[in-house]
Parts: sequence; structure tokens; C-alpha cells
Amino acid sequence: SAVISQKPSRDICQRGTSLTIQCQVDSQVTMMFWYRQQPGQSLTLIATANQGSEATYESGFVIDKFPISRPNLTFSTLTVSNMSPEDSSIYLCSARTGSHEQFFGPGTRLTVL
Amino acid sequence: AQKVTQAQTEISVVEKEDVTLDCVYETRDTTYYLFWYKQPPSGELVFLIRRNSFDEQNEISGRYSWNFQKSTSSFNFTITASQVVDSAVYFCALSEGDSSYKLIFGSGTRLLVRP
Repeated sequence: SAVISQKPSRDICQRGTSLTIQCQVDSQVTMMFWYRQQPGQSLTLIATANQGSEATYESGFVIDKFPISRPNLTFSTLTVSNMSPEDSSIYLCSARTGSHEQFFGPGTRLTVL
Repeated sequence: AQKVTQAQTEISVVEKEDVTLDCVYETRDTTYYLFWYKQPPSGELVFLIRRNSFDEQNEISGRYSWNFQKSTSSFNFTITASQVVDSAVYFCALSEGDSSYKLIFGSGTRLLVRP
């Protein structure tokens, strides 16, 4: 299994600012992902964080709005840029192990005023 | 295209009742993985099970059991003798066996277990 931590756990931000969310996994994993969960909704994949190269974004998500880094096999960051109230969501980091189990961090609850 | 359908939006049962959560999936791949997660009111997503497409054996873990049927593209989850602590939103998810390993989630089923 993999234990995933995220910082911050929650934040309240002003419109137009940016927030960087950190994700740390306790072991090396094959793949890391970032998901968004809007209030009362299911989870939607934002992007796959690739180690040492640009992230792979899903339709509807762009690098300028959600830049992602993954400098090594256990750490990744997601930045939510130029925030608006529509960005208020829970952002979850996820990691896939070599045995194809996939675990999630506790999430970052973001509120944009 | 891949898709996961959880037709039950919300289920309410009385404690000690058995309850089954339905999950139907669509994929064109022959290799894929199916998952169930629990999201309690605290918000974290708890991994429950992962099943690959080549293993149709049903699985039991304590009060939890899973029924995987490729013939009907279903991966249903049963809780036996439900407890109040089982109250949560349950998500079924699918990832195809290509190199992307993206998880596609169903819309979730909210389970309320009343004392």
C-alpha cells in the first residue's frame, strides 16, 4: 500500500490568487495523479503527473491553469492559478502502486472567495 | 469509451440489514481493473478493493463481499449486517489496461445506515 499526505488540508483564498498543493507518498510509486471533486460530485481526473516531464492533462484542464510538477517518484505539486469561486473544490492526489492498487491522499479543501 | 454507472443515487437501510450497491461498467479493453472506494463524511477516500478483468472470483472480506460478473459487466458490492459506521458515499471506478491507468469514477452511491 501507499500512504499519501497533502498540504495544506484546507485553505480559503481570494479570487485571482494562486495556491500550490503538495503531495508526498511514503514509497516510490509508478504513477501519480491529481483529481478534483466539486461539491456533491464524483471525482474527475485533472492530469497525470509524470516524473521529469510535463504532466498529461485531461480534456478541459490546461497547464496554464493547473501547472503540475513531479520532481521525483514520491512527490508532486499542483498549483491552482488565478483562482475564481468556480475552483472551490476538493483536490486529491493519488498514487498507483506496482500491483495496480490506487490510493488517495486526504484531499485539500479549497474555498475561493 | 469507458464508463461507470452507479444507478443508485442514495440508499437508506436500518442497521443489520444487508445492502448491495450496484456498479455497471463499459469498456472495449480485455484488460482492465475495477475498484471500490468508500468516502465517509470526513472526506478521505478509502481504498476497498481492486479486481482485474482476468479474475472473476468473488471476494469476501469480513462483512464486505464483491460479485464480479463479466457477462453483465457488473461489479456489485454487498455489505452484510450493515452498521452505522458504514454510512458513506461509495464509488466504483474503472481503469483500462493501457499505460495511462486513469481511473474513471461512477457518480457514487450515498449509503445511510440508520440505527
